[in-house]
Amino acid sequence: KAGVTQTPRYLIKTRGQQVTLSCSPISGHRSVSWYQQTPGQGLQFLFEYFSETQRNKGNFPGRFSGRQFSNSRSEMNVSTLELGDSALYLCASSADRVEITDTQYFGPGTRLTVL
Amino acid sequence: EDKVVQSPLSLVVHEGDTVTLNCSYEVTNFRSLLWYKQEKKAPTFLFMLTSSGIEKKSGRLSSILDKKELFSILNITATQTGDSAVYLCAVRGGSNYKLTFGKGTLLTVNP
Repeated sequence: KAGVTQTPRYLIKTRGQQVTLSCSPISGHRSVSWYQQTPGQGLQFLFEYFSETQRNKGNFPGRFSGRQFSNSRSEMNVSTLELGDSALYLCASSADRVEITDTQYFGPGTRLTVL
Repeated sequence: EDKVVQSPLSLVVHEGDTVTLNCSYEVTNFRSLLWYKQEKKAPTFLFMLTSSGIEKKSGRLSSILDKKELFSILNITATQTGDSAVYLCAVRGGSNYKLTFGKGTLLTVNP
């Protein structure tokens, strides 16, 4: 079974621009979560989507948004980029919130650098 | 607010040592606790624990969960340099079973 894939793997943008990151979950997984990872803050939860609906949201400003498509693929968008948005953005998928085996499997991440 | 605290933040040991990593949590509607290992890439899953006192074991790694005292430990015996990584603890719970991560423990195993 293919793992979680994320594109692009690396991205360089300038302040004020916007960016869209993509995540394809493991086949059959319906839940997709996004995290921001920085050296100082660790792994911080952005949001979680399940069956095209956002069911959890972290404490990030409205510049961070996401969506999920009917095939469970997800995108996250960051508008008006700031220097502090430079981070590794990780996507994780899991099978179903109801099942007891709700382990999340991570993709390789997208390394975003904002200049 | 849900909280997961890991200790120590970093640890340096020699090959062959045994280490114990700690994870305490305050989470409503607790459902599961997960351990991940992160080297210079995405976290990889190690264990998931859902019941008090159950020990999970895989080779030199083992973990237990104490739901009464709200903590878990990850034990690594006979450490090797390849065990050097950040170990992350995460707890699923809250109103919508969100996964909350601790800041991790950086383990360095010297030869």
